[in-house]
Amino acid sequence: GENVEQHPSTLSVQEGDSAVIKCTYSDSASNYFPWYKQELGKGPQLIIDIRSNVGEKKDQRIAVTLNKTAKHFSLHITETQPEDSAVYFCAARGDKIIFGKGTRLHILP
Amino acid sequence: EAEVAQSPRYKITEKSQAVAFWCDPISGHATLYWYRQILGQGPELLVQFQDESVVDDSQLPKDRFSAERLKGVDSTLKIQPAELGDSAMYLCASSLSSGRRYNEQFFGPGTRLTVL
Repeated sequence: GENVEQHPSTLSVQEGDSAVIKCTYSDSASNYFPWYKQELGKGPQLIIDIRSNVGEKKDQRIAVTLNKTAKHFSLHITETQPEDSAVYFCAARGDKIIFGKGTRLHILP
Repeated sequence: EAEVAQSPRYKITEKSQAVAFWCDPISGHATLYWYRQILGQGPELLVQFQDESVVDDSQLPKDRFSAERLKGVDSTLKIQPAELGDSAMYLCASSLSSGRRYNEQFFGPGTRLTVL
């Protein structure tokens, strides 16, 4: 079946440094790629998304890149802050939305 | 700010018992989703409604799970009988509409189910 692979599963970065999370997808019909942030005890919250006709999108400290040929997309967080600590999920949507397994991001003081 | 409401937030039950979860989507959202999230995993779609109709329940274990959205607004997900492997977070989400448009899904806080 269709799937989304997400790496790494855990990531620790020093406060102020950048964090990168990578995902690959298998369904070539996928055309929408959202990223979600999930804090403890809460539901996932959309932080940024990208459509298949765009290669890159940026929103303040967060950016996402998409390589449709390689079926690969990435989340970049710059100037990380303590409040960025959470679990991040990528997802790919074709006929249905499929989530990656998540990356637990730790921001070290 | 409008939010997706879910209740209860936590549920502990014994195996073979019946459990039910309730979700109230954001007003005006035609599409409603139920997801199961096992600890350490991403959400997995169980069922998707468009108004009161089921549009995808291919991953719903229909021998024990059922879902309804009778009036196309709030929804109930039921498990009967519950099994140990059903312990997970059950998330509800809603969006303006489905199809292949890029509609943001808004998630509720979830119901954490523990089956003993």
